[in-house]
Amino acid sequence: ETGVTQSPTHLIKTRGQQVTLRCSSQSGHNTVSWYQQALGQGPQFIFQYYREEENGRGNFPPRFSGLQFPNYSSELNVNALELDDSALYLCASSLSPRTEREQFFGPGTRLTVL
Amino acid sequence: KQEVTQIPAALSVPEGENLVLNCSFTDSAIYNLQWFRQDPGKGLTSLLLIQSSQREQTSGRLNASLDKSSGRSTLYIAASQPGDSATYLCAVRGAGGTSYGKLTFGQGTILTVHP
Repeated sequence: ETGVTQSPTHLIKTRGQQVTLRCSSQSGHNTVSWYQQALGQGPQFIFQYYREEENGRGNFPPRFSGLQFPNYSSELNVNALELDDSALYLCASSLSPRTEREQFFGPGTRLTVL
Repeated sequence: KQEVTQIPAALSVPEGENLVLNCSFTDSAIYNLQWFRQDPGKGLTSLLLIQSSQREQTSGRLNASLDKSSGRSTLYIAASQPGDSATYLCAVRGAGGTSYGKLTFGQGTILTVHP
């Protein structure tokens, strides 16, 4: 059984550009949550996808968007990048969106915006 | 709105010491609480998960307690080792409603164990 994987590992972009980050969920998991972790901070919830639909969203602007595919892998897209978007982006998958289901985290993508 | 606070922000101890990390949360309507370890630049490793109906969980040298009514949790690390050096994060999972099972994290405690 493979765990949660994310790509790329690191990414450097310039302000105003767009970026796509990818996440492959753990086998059998149909729910993916994305978190942003700025340097020295705890992760913050961006949104969750369940069966290809957004199932909940944190306090992030619309330029943060996502997709989930039929195989339950997911993408996080960020438009019009700002310097403050520099962070570690973590993806977590779970068996379902039900509260009791534990989330399993990937290694993250480090995004640097110059 | 749930807020999670971790104290201290950083801790440096000699090898072999027993230590306690603290976590507090403002809304006691939680489903569970989880402690994670994060090595520099890396993802999160789950250490212990305590359900809201439980008082504590143990794994090896780690023991986590939960007092839901007072909004507090502690992570106790016995006989610390240099390999324990990492950032420790506490996170709570909201109970139902619009929580979506999302985790609300504290800012972490940076632990350094020196030989």
